[in-house]
Amino acid sequence: GQQVMQIPQYQHVQEGEDFTTYCNSSTTLSNIQWYKQRPGGHPVFLIQLVKSGEVKKQKRLTFQFGEAKKNSSLHITATQTTDVGTYFCAGFGLGSNYQLIWGAGTKLIIKP
Amino acid sequence: KAGVTQTPRYLIKTRGQQVTLSCSPISGHRSVSWYQQTPGQGLQFLFEYFSETQRNKGNFPGRFSGRQFSNSRSEMNVSTLELGDSALYLCASSFGQGYQETQYFGPGTRLLVL
Repeated sequence: GQQVMQIPQYQHVQEGEDFTTYCNSSTTLSNIQWYKQRPGGHPVFLIQLVKSGEVKKQKRLTFQFGEAKKNSSLHITATQTTDVGTYFCAGFGLGSNYQLIWGAGTKLIIKP
Repeated sequence: KAGVTQTPRYLIKTRGQQVTLSCSPISGHRSVSWYQQTPGQGLQFLFEYFSETQRNKGNFPGRFSGRQFSNSRSEMNVSTLELGDSALYLCASSFGQGYQETQYFGPGTRLLVL
């Protein structure tokens, strides 16, 4: 079946360093969504990318959708303690009957 | 607009018992999806209901079941609980009719099986 692979599983960074998580789908996606789950919380929608090659920015966060619509990345510049949490990507495959396929998430940990 | 609500928030059960969890979606949303989340395991999709019908199903045993009512509220049931069923159970709602819809999650029900 369709899968979305997300790496890395964990990333430890010093505050102020950059962070990147990558998603790769086994099939073409109609779009890709990104969610953030804070420790003890529930996933919250961040952004959606729809177009091939699309790039969107939210302050220090940059989201990209690949040209083939099979991969995506989230890059955070100069991480802050408020960025701590798990970042998930999720996408609808073409003809997927409205089922979102989720990546396993990348947990961002800020080193003390 | 009120968000997604889940009840109960916390639950302790013993092996062999059964449990029913409830999810009330955002008003107007007709799709409810259920997920199981265990530490380090991401979001495991259980099933999705749309307009009272199960539209999608994940790879969980038949002990996990669900239903949706005419007001879009949904319940999931786990029978014959096992220790490994201890997890955070999240539900998420959406309108369910487009490929650009986002999911809105409830706070989850944390289930502990002893």
